[in-house]
Amino acid sequence: DAKTTQPNSMESNEEEPVHLPCNHSTISGTDYIHWYRQLPSQGPEYVIHGLTSNVNNRMASLAIAEDRKSSTLILHRATLRDAAVYYCILRDVPGGTSYGKLTFGQGTILTVHP
Amino acid sequence: NAGVMQNPRHLVRRRGQEARLRCSPMKGHSHVYWYRQLPEEGLKFMVYLQKENIIDESGMPKERFSAEFPKEGPSILRIQQVVRGDSAAYFCASSLTSPTNTGELFFGEGSRLTVL
Repeated sequence: DAKTTQPNSMESNEEEPVHLPCNHSTISGTDYIHWYRQLPSQGPEYVIHGLTSNVNNRMASLAIAEDRKSSTLILHRATLRDAAVYYCILRDVPGGTSYGKLTFGQGTILTVHP
Repeated sequence: NAGVMQNPRHLVRRRGQEARLRCSPMKGHSHVYWYRQLPEEGLKFMVYLQKENIIDESGMPKERFSAEFPKEGPSILRIQQVVRGDSAAYFCASSLTSPTNTGELFFGEGSRLTVL
């Protein structure tokens, strides 16, 4: 499985933007980049995913490097409720041998200060 | 529109007993996944099922663990003869998948198993 590398932890102040980086230098052409987050004592929650182009949704934006070897999850205005562990995951296409198997690394622990 | 429902939320078993964890996927979802999160560790994939079929069980321990997703009813993760090392949070997820959909997984809130 292609691996991702994320910083262990990051801190932010409330109302400020947060940029969470992820390196995936061995990404294959068919891998999608997915981001999930896990709030304390809860199950993971989908945040966003993309293939090549930058993506926006109501939760966040995903900026993907042109060579796809890295990506950045952007929270435009952090709130206290955004404090969580953020996971960057590469996922195979449907029908791919490892499609069903998301590999969660250690993720980035985001702390948001009031 | 209920999310993924897992029960029980908390389960206590003594060593040697059986644990059964249930997962009802979101309405219309036919794909179910089980993950385990040991204390202070990340989530580990266990098994991926579609209705009546196991698609990928590469993360399941070879002994004592089994999973099913019958035509009717919830998916069941069964752990026989539990040991203390089985104490963990077990998360179920479901997805709506078609050949062209790389859709998100919707996770339940987990079942926390404690083995005494």
